[in-house]
Amino acid sequence: QQQVKQSPQSLIVQKGGISIINCAYENTAFDYFPWYQQFPGKGPALLIAIRPDVSEKKEGRFTISFNKSAKQFSLHIMDSQPGDSATYFCAASRPGNTGKLIFGQGTTLQVKP
Amino acid sequence: DARVTQTPRHKVTEMGQEVTMRCQPILGHNTVFWYRQTMMQGLELLAYFRNRAPLDDSGMPKDRFSAEMPDATLATLKIQPSEPRDSAVYFCASGLTYEQYFGPGTRLTVT
Repeated sequence: QQQVKQSPQSLIVQKGGISIINCAYENTAFDYFPWYQQFPGKGPALLIAIRPDVSEKKEGRFTISFNKSAKQFSLHIMDSQPGDSATYFCAASRPGNTGKLIFGQGTTLQVKP
Repeated sequence: DARVTQTPRHKVTEMGQEVTMRCQPILGHNTVFWYRQTMMQGLELLAYFRNRAPLDDSGMPKDRFSAEMPDATLATLKIQPSEPRDSAVYFCASGLTYEQYFGPGTRLTVT
């Protein structure tokens, strides 16, 4: 119930294409769903986050789509660029959890020029 | 530009030695997390504190790992004795509510 399952494990996309990473969860009490981006040798950095009262959130080329009934959420990277090549982690948290995040296993994205 | 800082950035040590990693959370953040990252296990939560009090350290091997917050500006993670299987990148993160901000990590190699 505490798990967040992320797919695919790795992804190769051509420059200009759309990258899509999916996550699924079991615990319906989760109420905060962030995505983190991690470059080699760096710590994960918060990219974008959503709460379940909205179905989509967009920030620049990055969009989170949220499907509450299916208990799934996804990250879409539009017009993918080589500079987007990184590992992406989804996560989830629930109220009263003092900010504790349950992370997915990560997706390594490579954007080819 | 407020950031989480961690020291040392790299540490190579021999099996059996004590290792201490330090973290300075972002000023004003009241929650501090310690994570370990490996290729096999991904990001694992080891322990976390709120207002300097330990909330959960169930992810930590109790016999060799210890985490403390001597004051609001310093969190420490200690491994004694260290073992080769402890080789990993250790991250500290801090936050106020839901958002967590990660430090650059300490890459630990135990030979």
